[in-house]
Amino acid sequence: QSALTQPRSVSGSPGQSVTISCTGTSSDVGGHNYVSWYQHHPGKAPKLIIYDVSKRPSGVPDRFSGSKSGNKASLTISGLQAEDEADYHCCSYAGSYNWVFGGGTKLTVL
Amino acid sequence: QVQLQESGPGLVKPSETLSLTCTVSGGSVTSYYWSWIRQPAGKGLEWIGRVYMSGSTDYNPSFKSRVSMSVDTSKNHFSLNLTSVTAADTAVYYCARTNWNYDYWGQGTLVTVSS
Repeated sequence: QSALTQPRSVSGSPGQSVTISCTGTSSDVGGHNYVSWYQHHPGKAPKLIIYDVSKRPSGVPDRFSGSKSGNKASLTISGLQAEDEADYHCCSYAGSYNWVFGGGTKLTVL
Repeated sequence: QVQLQESGPGLVKPSETLSLTCTVSGGSVTSYYWSWIRQPAGKGLEWIGRVYMSGSTDYNPSFKSRVSMSVDTSKNHFSLNLTSVTAADTAVYYCARTNWNYDYWGQGTLVTVSS
């Protein structure tokens, strides 16, 4: 299985919106609604921010939203804040009780 | 609040076995699946596999011949063994609680493979 494709980096100014893409195949992203996103500040534990494509765990601000179209999933962060600067990883179920992650995207808040 | 903590040697010699344990607090290993995930420096996350309290496991095909996982309900922890390691296995290793996503993670432990 191949890793999902994410941009290496994205950036935005405070208050703006950014979208991070996560491209897979019909065997993973396109074939299942088990796409999740994780926020990862270096040295800390990754944090689940989106699951089942577009659901938010309790406590995650509604500035974070997820969607999917075909083989591509997206994470949108609106109203960027300084504390949003982190690495973001997507993950998808790939069938046969197997999961695949993306390469990770570094978000810089300018 | 569920908390996970990885432990184990930070240095392993090539061809030897990497062994890590993840201790769960604030919850029981008798529910949920539990996974191991790693991140080599400068790269993305990689799912290694998952284990259930019954001993049932699912592994990433990339690791299948080298990996084993187990759960010790009496100690409320679960473990990873990765055999025949090489420098390519140098990474930060994370444990995580698993549903169809990973909702609780440990902070990770760096394992370096070097002689």
